[in-house]
Amino acid sequence: EVQLVQSGAEVKKPGESLKISCKGSGYSFTSYWIGWVRQMPGKGLEWMGIIFPGDSDTRYSPSLQGQVTISVDKSSSTAYLQWDSLKASDTAMYYCARRTSSWFDYWGQGTLVTVSP
Amino acid sequence: DIQMTQSPSSLSASVGDRVTITCRASQDINNYLNWYQQKPGKAPELLIYDASNLQTGVPSRFSGSGSGTDFTFTISSLQPEDIATYYCQQYDNLFPMYTFGQGTKLEIK
Repeated sequence: EVQLVQSGAEVKKPGESLKISCKGSGYSFTSYWIGWVRQMPGKGLEWMGIIFPGDSDTRYSPSLQGQVTISVDKSSSTAYLQWDSLKASDTAMYYCARRTSSWFDYWGQGTLVTVSP
Repeated sequence: DIQMTQSPSSLSASVGDRVTITCRASQDINNYLNWYQQKPGKAPELLIYDASNLQTGVPSRFSGSGSGTDFTFTISSLQPEDIATYYCQQYDNLFPMYTFGQGTKLEIK
């Protein structure tokens, strides 16, 4: 069974760093791109970026380039999304999702990130 | 950038009704158009891929059609468990880039 399991909810202060994770299982982790999708409170879905675990090829949404870093650890089948300095506007639910062709067929359960003074 | 315009933003319908949501792209995206359902407090789920293909396990009352710039998502007979927000998503293979529509919140009348 394909599963993407994300790390738990985080509460951080502005300026702090954070790294959240997404662990894949039940399929060949290095053969499928993993994307990250943001959903701000009460808002729609926004694609942030995507990584190919096989060779760490990474692409970012132009609107978010430089604001986050996507990485992967093949040995643990885990993808990561990290911030060096959080802002209140980073408060959102973050989902990882497996890409097959042009669609996202399996999704993690989401990680809620709250940034508050 | 390819822009996606999804309509309506909200919709109220009765159980058993036929429901239609549309998504329009600012330029030709072939059939790189997918549809997702997101229930409150849950992750999105893929319903339709490549405009008209039903994802495995998805009930047959859901369907999609269209190509080029205009796409339609249909629920043939609305069920209470279909209450959710629905999103279209396009894929631009030149970059690559993935863009979601604004969403349609579906409620029972």
